[in-house]
Amino acid sequence: QQPVQSPQAVILREGEDAVINCSSSKALYSVHWYRQKHGEAPVFLMILLKGGEQKGHEKISASFNEKKQQSSLYLTASQLSYSGTYFCGTANAGGTSYGKLTFGQGTILTVHP
Amino acid sequence: EAQVTQNPRYLITVTGKKLTVTCSQNMNHEYMSWYRQDPGLGLRQIYYSMNVEVTDKGDVPEGYKVSRKEKRNFPLILESPSPNQTSLYFCASSTSTPSSTDTQYFGPGTRLTVL
Repeated sequence: QQPVQSPQAVILREGEDAVINCSSSKALYSVHWYRQKHGEAPVFLMILLKGGEQKGHEKISASFNEKKQQSSLYLTASQLSYSGTYFCGTANAGGTSYGKLTFGQGTILTVHP
Repeated sequence: EAQVTQNPRYLITVTGKKLTVTCSQNMNHEYMSWYRQDPGLGLRQIYYSMNVEVTDKGDVPEGYKVSRKEKRNFPLILESPSPNQTSLYFCASSTSTPSSTDTQYFGPGTRLTVL
């Protein structure tokens, strides 16, 4: 079952902040975040393992709440280069399908000057 | 240069004509995976492979076959393509499974149209 991302789309002005959420109905072991620009392949942003550790890379960070089976991606002081579609991918805890990675439907982020 | 390559990049074919999309990685990765991407549905996993001769179904395996005879190659086979398999296909690889912290690297994509 696909994780659910919200919102489906975000429009920002340069310098504004955004939060993208990813929720799963199943217990999660890891959450992956990718960004895809139009016509290109998805590019890795970060991975979070269960444990609730928040990770960051410059002005993009993420958190993972195991109890809520939810992850959030935080983009601060957005730049034009942040525009694209953001996907979360989830690997479930337990079972034998630990090679499976299920992606959400994506969140389209547009940053205007 | 570390990369995942796919061929062909674009393919137009007709219903029922068997085709193979090749995927190759030069990073000595154990894990490889195929995804299809359709508007509004995101990326959906077709098949994945943990290692040579070890493959398993993803979320949408119907109508597809894969093989992993060598570590670097993971071809996607459509024995009898149908129009509902028209999609953008991505191959990806990583050192280990998605349950680890390893980055998954994506190929450039193959746009397939089945008439």
